[in-house]
Amino acid sequence: AQRVTQPEKLLSVFKGAPVELKCNYSYSGSPELFWYVQYSRQRLQLLLRHISRESIKGFTADLNKGETSFHLKKPFAQEEDSAMYYCAALYNQGGKLIFGQGTELSVKP
Amino acid sequence: DTGVSQDPRHKITKRGQNVTFRCDPISEHNRLYWYRQTLGQGPEFLTYFQNEAQLEKSRLLSDRFSAERPKGSFSTLEIQRTEQGDSAMYLCASSPGLIGHNEKLFFGSGTQLSVL
Repeated sequence: AQRVTQPEKLLSVFKGAPVELKCNYSYSGSPELFWYVQYSRQRLQLLLRHISRESIKGFTADLNKGETSFHLKKPFAQEEDSAMYYCAALYNQGGKLIFGQGTELSVKP
Repeated sequence: DTGVSQDPRHKITKRGQNVTFRCDPISEHNRLYWYRQTLGQGPEFLTYFQNEAQLEKSRLLSDRFSAERPKGSFSTLEIQRTEQGDSAMYLCASSPGLIGHNEKLFFGSGTQLSVL
């Protein structure tokens, strides 16, 4: 089955601390992986995608095919990073995105 | 606002009633998706369209659910004989083309359905 798992419902850190939001996906071909974010009172929006190998707002994500993981990392968390983060996988080009359950990141001052 | 628009924002209905939601995608986006999200869960795929053609429906979509996109522009999602388990946020999203590579989903604000 095509599935995305985010084991942590809530991650709470202090400002300036490193952050890692975990994401594992079921192996079924080579899916394309994404992180979407939803800030308070805003719409769900794309944060980054693995194929771009980009860093957005200081966040990076490394695809580990051996561990079927796509963890999101930031070395120094900021209060404005507080949001819901969803990992998503695209198993078929042109198909649908499959989302994980989401992790709420809370960055305390 | 030129983003994805959904109407209504909130809907409260009694069990057994029919409800219809509308989604207006970003102009010229030929792909339109419906997702459902319950508390504490991520968006769950329901169905999607390319222009007016419905290309895929989730097995979760019972016969009480129907979606249309008659002219390849706006879409409607109808739920017949609503049940309390239908209470959720219904999200619409659109994309210019195939998701992946340089394309992404643009989400609406959603319609929150409460079935009493």
